[in-house]
Amino acid sequence: DIQMTQSPSSLSASVGDRVTITCRASQTIGKFLIWYQQKPGKAPQLLIYAASSLQSGVPSRFSGTASGTDFTLTISGLQPEDSATYYCQQSYSTPYTFGQGTKLEIK
Amino acid sequence: QLQLQESGPGLVEPSETLSLTCTVSGGSISSDYWSWIRQPPGKALEWIGYIYYSGRSNINPSLKSRLTVSVDTSKNQFSLRLSSVTAADTAVYYCARGPYGGMHDAFDIWGQGTKVTVSS
Repeated sequence: DIQMTQSPSSLSASVGDRVTITCRASQTIGKFLIWYQQKPGKAPQLLIYAASSLQSGVPSRFSGTASGTDFTLTISGLQPEDSATYYCQQSYSTPYTFGQGTKLEIK
Repeated sequence: QLQLQESGPGLVEPSETLSLTCTVSGGSISSDYWSWIRQPPGKALEWIGYIYYSGRSNINPSLKSRLTVSVDTSKNQFSLRLSSVTAADTAVYYCARGPYGGMHDAFDIWGQGTKVTVSS
């Protein structure tokens, strides 16, 4: 199975800040990297697919990049509603696997 | 727009079989792939498996010996049966559309999730 390692596991930032979450794959996955946002008690919501393509309706302050097996999710200009847990997922091969999540708290 | 809704018992006894159904509304199940994903309390997401409307499926090897997925196109539903459950199967179970080829095999539409507790 492909292992997805996210860092940090949690972070705290202020409104207006720029935050970056990293996800590393245990082997090459091309650009088959997905980012989801999950708020407490809710289902995950798709943010970014193909490492950097923004899902329709997602604010442009969210962006994704890829470099080899390292992927980043950046939120520029943090908003209170961005408080959530963020997961990466590889869609390169089955079994599809997720990172352990990054909990983002807004100060 | 496309919506998914899980249904099934919230409590299952150990060693019994867990059965869940996902009803697709606002569109046809007779296209795309459909998945089950679960999330144990306080833990990360785990992909369980997917099924195509034709009945072709792909199951996570970690569950393959206990899991059956099926589809009923006449009812626009797909289902999961997990046998010999233990406390480790306690989780919120989500159904989702995907892997969706138009989005690099992402899960783009999710049900709200149903909480299943395994306990006597």
